[in-house]
Amino acid sequence: QLQLQESGPGLVKPSETLSLTCTVSGGSISSSGYFWGWIRQSPGRGLEWIGSIYYSGTTHYNPSLKSRVTISVDTSKNQFSLKLSSVTAADTAIYYCARPYNTAWYLLWDYWGRGTLVTVSS
Amino acid sequence: SYELTQPPSVSVSPGQTARITCSGDELRHKYASWYQRKPGQSPVLVIYQDTKRPPGIPDRFSGSNSGNTATLTISGTQATDEADYYCQAWDSSSTWEVLFGGGTNLTVV
Repeated sequence: QLQLQESGPGLVKPSETLSLTCTVSGGSISSSGYFWGWIRQSPGRGLEWIGSIYYSGTTHYNPSLKSRVTISVDTSKNQFSLKLSSVTAADTAIYYCARPYNTAWYLLWDYWGRGTLVTVSS
Repeated sequence: SYELTQPPSVSVSPGQTARITCSGDELRHKYASWYQRKPGQSPVLVIYQDTKRPPGIPDRFSGSNSGNTATLTISGTQATDEADYYCQAWDSSSTWEVLFGGGTNLTVV
């Protein structure tokens, strides 16, 4: 059974960089066809896709966050990571890592981590 | 940019039918998925490819997509269905972007 687990600091100061890692177990991150992703939910707001990465390193980012986001992959550790720079209180959220399944016509998210709360505060 | 719009809240009596809509320009040309999220839990996929249910999802959950609107229908709504529901689509053409609706809080009262 595929499992994903987020890890990283739960508190980040304003203007600093948020860094999270997702560790994948029960399957290989190098499995072809999957764009591993980060999704967040802010208090009182809905789900927001942050970005996705293929095991080869190809990335896609949410246009509204693109200037501040970097997602990377480490296949040797079966992990992928998120960096979000210049954070503000608006970036306080539960951050999920997830694996989608997609065909040429649709994409769905079928495996999710448990999520980790990151609070931006001084 | 492309947006998906959902009503913030829907209320339904137990045993009745709940309908949650998701609107987007020409949404019928994209496949819609729906997720259920309960407090303290990760989202769970309940409908994908407009109308299909993953294994383990009760058949009281169904979906449709026509014109500019996708709809999640919950028949015989139970108290356990009380949750936030999100629609999701994927723009794989020009921008490769995953889109989520703003979410609908379903209350069973």
